[in-house]
Amino acid sequence: NAGVTQTPKFQVLKTGQSMTLQCAQDMNHNSMYWYRQDPGMGLRLIYYSASEGTTDKGEVPNGYNVSRLNKREFSLRLESAAPSQTSVYFCASSEIWGPRAEAFFGQGTRLTVV
Amino acid sequence: RKEVEQDPGPFNVPEGATVAFNCTYSNSASQSFFWYRQDCRKEPKLLMSVYSSGNEDGRFTAQLNRASQYISLLIRDSKLSDSATYLCVVNMFSGGYNKLIFGAGTRLAVHP
Repeated sequence: NAGVTQTPKFQVLKTGQSMTLQCAQDMNHNSMYWYRQDPGMGLRLIYYSASEGTTDKGEVPNGYNVSRLNKREFSLRLESAAPSQTSVYFCASSEIWGPRAEAFFGQGTRLTVV
Repeated sequence: RKEVEQDPGPFNVPEGATVAFNCTYSNSASQSFFWYRQDCRKEPKLLMSVYSSGNEDGRFTAQLNRASQYISLLIRDSKLSDSATYLCVVNMFSGGYNKLIFGAGTRLAVHP
């Protein structure tokens, strides 16, 4: 019963370092998402992938890149981390069709950039 | 203007109280609506979907008013365990894709 698995759970980076956040889901969902959550801001969509092989920008894509490696995996890359990217990152997945697009979330990655 | 707006709260209520949260959305093409619950430092989880006719799940009632672009969540007989942040979520279905847009959340604190 893994659902959506994110790694790592915690990370501290120095400004300018790069890293990749990994996400995998075992529910055979087509759609996957990356969000960031900052205090008082709610969840903001960074990128989403409607299906394997497609990705699209969300609300706050600057400073990030994504790869939909296969149907299961959707990674988020920070090429040159900045303190403004300190946040909690959530990966999620959902079915692509239908009104009941329930999103299932991973446990989050708490990233601090110093 | 944000696509989904909520009163941030916090709402501080005693056990047993009835509390209502409101949410407005800006895109009239939005197709489906949800309430998620998020506990402190945890991931959001689906509480309930919101249907046009309104729907109830135990102590929770959700209402949708498409004409006013307004969604509500009513919690009756509040429990201590209801303390959490409640996120209003809108499904922007366009171009064949589901894009879920979250409100900033309303924080609820239920006290003895």
